[in-house]
Amino acid sequence: QSALTQPASVSGSPGQSITISCIGTSSDIGDYDYVSWYQQHPGQAPKLIIYEVVNRPSGVSDRFSGSKSGNTASLTISGLQAEDQADYFCSAYRSSSAVFGGGTKLTVL
Amino acid sequence: QLQLQESGSGLVKPSQTLSLTCAVSGGSINGDGYSWSWIRQPPGKGLQWIGYIYHSGTTYYNPSLKSRVTISVDTSKNQFSLRMTSVTAADTAVYYCARERELRGFDVWGQGTLVTVSS
Repeated sequence: QSALTQPASVSGSPGQSITISCIGTSSDIGDYDYVSWYQQHPGQAPKLIIYEVVNRPSGVSDRFSGSKSGNTASLTISGLQAEDQADYFCSAYRSSSAVFGGGTKLTVL
Repeated sequence: QLQLQESGSGLVKPSQTLSLTCAVSGGSINGDGYSWSWIRQPPGKGLQWIGYIYHSGTTYYNPSLKSRVTISVDTSKNQFSLRMTSVTAADTAVYYCARERELRGFDVWGQGTLVTVSS
């Protein structure tokens, strides 16, 4: 069982927006703004797409955005594209240890 | 451009020790504020952070693995390593090394190496 809770799957049509939630506790997401999101295509290493809740690394599309409310972080992908179909993982810190969500499979219909 | 490359034993027998090394190229492992992590992913499953090390040698480990894991750094070779003892089939996974800057996410990853625990 993962430390952070994510839905197993979400889906959307091209052009639509989807949101993936990541539920933690007051000891991780609720306590620090060190929430990150990763995109992973099959057979590849994860790629950082959001850090510190809302920031995008250079080169990441502005269609990806992050937010946080209380113990829940969220990743929103707007203007869905076929290439967005992938697994998405959230991560946070708890007492100097990194913890991950179980991952969400995004299907672009 | 910084690159990470894992290497080591791909097949380990149960109860033995898993050993992996991550070579850092295109940059120095000595940069202040950077930590160097090992993260694993069992086939078809999610990610699990194993632990990280700073160039100074300071380490932090996942509490659930701490008793079996040692991460070390060799700054002269620009690499860091993972040792995991008493492995079982549950330790079968793709093992990644990754860099993080001041808790701002793992921004550089190796390609990953599959380690299978089997007799």
